Amino acid sequence: AQRVTQPEKLLSVFKGAPVELKCNYSYSGSPELFWYVQYSRQRLQLLLRHISRESIKGFTADLNKGETSFHLKKPFAQEEDSAMYYCALKGSGAGSYQLTFGKGTKLSVIP
Amino acid sequence: DGGITQSPKYLFRKEGQNVTLSCEQNLNHDAMYWYRQDPGQGLRLIYYSQIVNDFQKGDIAEGYSVSREKKESFPLTVTSAQKNPTAFYLCASSISGTYTEAFFGQGTRLTVV
Repeated sequence: AQRVTQPEKLLSVFKGAPVELKCNYSYSGSPELFWYVQYSRQRLQLLLRHISRESIKGFTADLNKGETSFHLKKPFAQEEDSAMYYCALKGSGAGSYQLTFGKGTKLSVIP
Repeated sequence: DGGITQSPKYLFRKEGQNVTLSCEQNLNHDAMYWYRQDPGQGLRLIYYSQIVNDFQKGDIAEGYSVSREKKESFPLTVTSAQKNPTAFYLCASSISGTYTEAFFGQGTRLTVV
């Protein structure tokens, strides 16, 4: 079975402060990990995927297989970052198309 | 205009009735998914399909049924056996393969009255 845990339902930070949204996963094989974002009244959309190792809108995420974590980070939060963030895992092998999401973290950036 | 379309946006159903939610994509994606989104619960997978005429149960399939007769369509039926059907339902699709992005519809809000 595959599982994604996001321990924080809500995270409030001041503008300009660093942000870290936590994500831990449980999966026996080699996982594909993603962060999705949902801005107010918009569709859920991909923010970044671990394989690309790129920075999107200033956000980065590193896969730590030892700690089974994929935390999302940004050094300086902006007001436009306020949104719901979901960590997602796609399995490999027989379950390769099962895409499992965490419960989400609502990020609120205080001006 | 390419994308994934869910209809209707709002749906009301009387208790005890079955109802079907539509999901259509013109992205030529092989994989399609149905999720249920409840406050504080995130997205929970109901069913997913990798190819036409094949689908697998997700984590909360009880009380739901799907079909995948065409590549572009993946309708979800909420049956009367679903005990708490009032929710926001999201459909998604993706290309087959590794690290592929899932594209989401706008969602359907189902209310049982």
